[in-house]
Amino acid sequence: SQKIEQNSEALNIQEGKTATLTCNYTNYSPAYLQWYRQDPGRGPVFLLLIRENEKEKRKERLKVTFDTTLKQSLFHITASQPADSATYLCALGPTGGFKTIFGAGTRLFVKA
Amino acid sequence: DAGVTQSPTHLIKTRGQQVTLRCSPKSGHDTVSWYQQALGQGPQFIFQYYEEEERQRGNFPDRFSGHQFPNYSSELNVNALLLGDSALYLCASSPGQGARLELFFGEGSRLTVL
Repeated sequence: SQKIEQNSEALNIQEGKTATLTCNYTNYSPAYLQWYRQDPGRGPVFLLLIRENEKEKRKERLKVTFDTTLKQSLFHITASQPADSATYLCALGPTGGFKTIFGAGTRLFVKA
Repeated sequence: DAGVTQSPTHLIKTRGQQVTLRCSPKSGHDTVSWYQQALGQGPQFIFQYYEEEERQRGNFPDRFSGHQFPNYSSELNVNALLLGDSALYLCASSPGQGARLELFFGEGSRLTVL
């Protein structure tokens, strides 16, 4: 069956360091992969999208890589700040039509 | 420019009751998707509406139904509520086929079933 896996354990890092989050998927061939940020009790907010023919995408302190051979995406936040503390969701689509599906997310805590 | 708005923000129901949740998409968006997010889990796709029709459905029972109106707003209805239906229900809009792929989410409706 189709599956998206993200680090289930929370990631704790020190302010100023680079946070790296992993997203692995199986039994998919997604045309694109997205990353969202979600704060407690709020809706997810779109951060970055990378297409299957792109290896890397950057936006300010964020960087995403997409390896369709390994079926993996890495999400990096450089010079992390306490305000970056949130849950980060990996999403794939389209899958079996038009829908976008999400992983369970990884909680990131950045300590000052 | 208003983003995606959902109502109500919180509600409490008892088992067996019915609930209707509402969503207004972002201006210019004509596609609405609904997701259920249980605590500690990622959003699970319920269904998507486009041109007032259900375009795709996830693995949810028929107790979950929806509707899209000519102004692109949408409703999610859940009948015969179960305790397991307690979750954050998220509405996401997007500008139709092809153009831009990212989803714009509302803040959700927190449903508690007692």
